[in-house]
Amino acid sequence: AQSVTQPDIHITVSEGASLELRCNYSYGATPYLFWYVQSPGQGLQLLLKYFSGDTLVQGIKGFEAEFKRSQSSFNLRKPSVHWSDAAEYFCAVGSSGGGADGLTFGKGTHLIIQP
Amino acid sequence: NAGVMQNPRHLVRRRGQEARLRCSPMKGHSHVYWYRQLPEEGLKFMVYLQKENIIDESGMPKERFSAEFPKEGPSILRIQQVVRGDSAAYFCASSPGRGVFYEQYFGPGTRLTVT
Repeated sequence: AQSVTQPDIHITVSEGASLELRCNYSYGATPYLFWYVQSPGQGLQLLLKYFSGDTLVQGIKGFEAEFKRSQSSFNLRKPSVHWSDAAEYFCAVGSSGGGADGLTFGKGTHLIIQP
Repeated sequence: NAGVMQNPRHLVRRRGQEARLRCSPMKGHSHVYWYRQLPEEGLKFMVYLQKENIIDESGMPKERFSAEFPKEGPSILRIQQVVRGDSAAYFCASSPGRGVFYEQYFGPGTRLTVT
């Protein structure tokens, strides 16, 4: 069965500093990986996704993520965070055929931005 | 283009009552997913529906929970005889097609509180 682990429940970063959120997945075949952001009281918004090809993917709002098969990781990065980036971030994995249709999410990382 | 709409946004029910959660997909989308988010947890897939059909209910509890997506009108997630453990945020997502290659667009969620 597929699973996603986000080791950090909370992360605090100063505004303007760089950010890296960790995500590890467990999946037997080629994973399809996603990062979503959830602002308070809102639904989830897709930041970026990885299906195949270039292992460094660019997303919206200046985010990027790197797929590392050898480490089963898909970490999210941003070079300089803004106060508006404070939110909950979820990593997710999906399957192509044969598995459940829904995405499997990690428990999330709560990002706090210090002024 | 309006996004995915869910109502009510907040719902309070006493133990033993029924809860009905509604989801109107984005215009042109005929695929709907329901997820549940328990406190301090990530989203868990419950059910995937197309118009008039339940396609994948592998994440749905076996008892008390049901879902439908009629030809006309919103998708409904129904929880009968609610218990305190049903308190959670319920999110629906819609997509224009089936499978991981189609982006899922999430609604703002319904927060169910069982007293």
